[in-house]
Amino acid sequence: GQQVMQIPQYQHVQEGEDFTTYCNSSTTLSNIQWYKQRPGGHPVFLIQLVKSGEVKKQKRLTFQFGEAKKNSSLHITATQTTDVGTYFCALTAYVGGTSYGKLTFGQGTILTVHP
Amino acid sequence: DAGVIQSPRHEVTEMGQEVTLRCKPISGHNSLFWYRQTMMRGLELLIYFNNNVPIDDSGMPEDRFSAKMPNASFSTLKIQPSEPRDSAVYFCASSFVAGGTPGNTIYFGEGSWLTVV
Repeated sequence: GQQVMQIPQYQHVQEGEDFTTYCNSSTTLSNIQWYKQRPGGHPVFLIQLVKSGEVKKQKRLTFQFGEAKKNSSLHITATQTTDVGTYFCALTAYVGGTSYGKLTFGQGTILTVHP
Repeated sequence: DAGVIQSPRHEVTEMGQEVTLRCKPISGHNSLFWYRQTMMRGLELLIYFNNNVPIDDSGMPEDRFSAKMPNASFSTLKIQPSEPRDSAVYFCASSFVAGGTPGNTIYFGEGSWLTVV
């Protein structure tokens, strides 16, 4: 099945610094989703990107989908302690051309923010 | 609106015992997923159902694991017998999948934290 490589695995930043995590696939993606999991919590949907070159913003978070639809990034400007958690990208997986909703998750990037 | 409801939230059990985890998906959702999360292996999909039918159970680690979805509002994941290496957080998640829609949001429950000693 489709695989995605997410980097870095860990990122430690000082509060106020920027943060970026990347997801890369060897195959063209139909769409990509991003989720955030707070420590001790569960993954929560952030956003979905569908179009080539798409850029979406949520306050200090900027999400990009590559022109070739093979990579994506999540950038946080001026991190805050509330940004702490694990950020996952996720791909739609198809079974015989049909999506039953299955998502394949990247390994996640664990973000630590030092005050 | 109630989200995905899982029980128990925490369970500590002795090796060899049977463990049953329960899940109530969001009303109206037609796909249900069981994930397992550990530090070593990350977030793994164990099995998923669509319209109560198991679609893919290739992620189920061993025959000790089984899952059922008798109706649209309930699913169970059973481990029998349990082993210490089964200790993990087990998430149930649900989604509404409409044909032709490019992707769908998955909603996770709060997880069942299992410790097998």
